[in-house]
Amino acid sequence: EIVMTQSPATLSVSPGERATLSCRASQSVSNNLAWYQQKPGQAPRLLIYGASTRATGIPARFSGSGSGTEFTLTISSLQSEDFAVYYCQQYNNWPPRTFGQGTKVEIK
Amino acid sequence: EVQLVESGGGLVKPGESLRLSCAASGFTFSIYSMNWVRQAPGKGLEWVSSISSTSTYIYYADSVKGRFAISRDNAKNSLYLQMNSLRAEDTAVYYCARDPGGSPAYFQHWGQGTLVTVSS
Repeated sequence: EIVMTQSPATLSVSPGERATLSCRASQSVSNNLAWYQQKPGQAPRLLIYGASTRATGIPARFSGSGSGTEFTLTISSLQSEDFAVYYCQQYNNWPPRTFGQGTKVEIK
Repeated sequence: EVQLVESGGGLVKPGESLRLSCAASGFTFSIYSMNWVRQAPGKGLEWVSSISSTSTYIYYADSVKGRFAISRDNAKNSLYLQMNSLRAEDTAVYYCARDPGGSPAYFQHWGQGTLVTVSS
């Protein structure tokens, strides 16, 4: 099973600032990595797939990068609606499809 | 617009059974692989099970293998999860999620979830 590790667990950022979230895989997942955003009481929403491709309707301030075992989600200028929990998920080698434990982006 | 609506959650005792349903609309259900993903209270996301478009391929997480059964009815645009021998650790919100077209991969669309609580 591929273990996904996200860091940090919590990121405190001021509105308008850049946020950088990390996700590491225990073995290579090529570029078969997705990012999701989840707000309290809501279902997750797909942000990024293929490590760097934005899903339909996702603003350009969200960008993904990386391949192999190291991945990054960057939010270039945080808006109020971006404060949420973010999960990475690999789909290169499954079952199981595995998620990271999440990074909470909170208001500083 | 893709819509996935889960139902069937509730409070059950350990050892009991429950059947979840997911009603799909806004897309051609019969050509997409489907999934169940769960989230325990205050915890992260856990993939539970996947089923291919024609039910040929079915997969389960080790944590539910032998107790849960995924199925679908393409004529009714519906996905199901039969959950038997429920345990306290199965308490979670269960989401129905659709794969993208092509190979199974990420979870492109999600339902709003249904809460399953297992407690005596």
